[in-house]
Amino acid sequence: GAVVSQHPSRVICKSGTSVKIECRSLDFQATTMFWYRQFPKQSLMLMATSNEGSKATYEQGVEKDKFLINHASLTLSTLTVTSAHPEDSSFYICSARRGADQETQYFGPGTRLLVL
Amino acid sequence: DAKTTQPPSMDCAEGRAANLPCNHSTISGNEYVYWYRQIHSQGPQYIIHGLKNNETNEMASLIITEDRKSSTLILPHATLRDTAVYYCIVRARGGNQFYFGTGTSLTVIP
Repeated sequence: GAVVSQHPSRVICKSGTSVKIECRSLDFQATTMFWYRQFPKQSLMLMATSNEGSKATYEQGVEKDKFLINHASLTLSTLTVTSAHPEDSSFYICSARRGADQETQYFGPGTRLLVL
Repeated sequence: DAKTTQPPSMDCAEGRAANLPCNHSTISGNEYVYWYRQIHSQGPQYIIHGLKNNETNEMASLIITEDRKSSTLILPHATLRDTAVYYCIVRARGGNQFYFGTGTSLTVIP
């Protein structure tokens, strides 16, 4: 299967700081990437859809000014959590849809964010 | 919004077949059924997907009823490493987002 990586795998930051999470498709070009958030013992919640070269589309209730998404190339999307607060502590997961195989999404390993 | 219903948890003896059901009674004609699983603290892993025919790959089999209102994921010989949360998702062909429901927590017992 296709490989998607995320960096960092874990991050701890102080309240009020910004954190950037990278999502890379390693062996394919991803025209579309997706960002999810998962709180403990809950399911994945879609946050936004990221299209290469255009603005991200956010799900209802997700603050676009707080969760900045940049999809500058066909292999890289970044999620920046701005002015993070303890309630932003969560497991952030990205996925990528391969252009040649648009029916399947491949997920990254996730990034654990802890805001103190 | 998730359009599937799954039992919250199931147990299966190691070496036996694990049969995970999913109801998707409002599925429309152009929607596929996907199965993913998530092992604790990891990203979801693709298992299999299908439209109306039964599908099989190296990981599992997918049985879809004739009316397509329900499906069953079959892990033929469950191992301890199959312990995970299994998600059944429906999505239209060419559609974009996956919306996850609550899934089934499968525990494989030695």
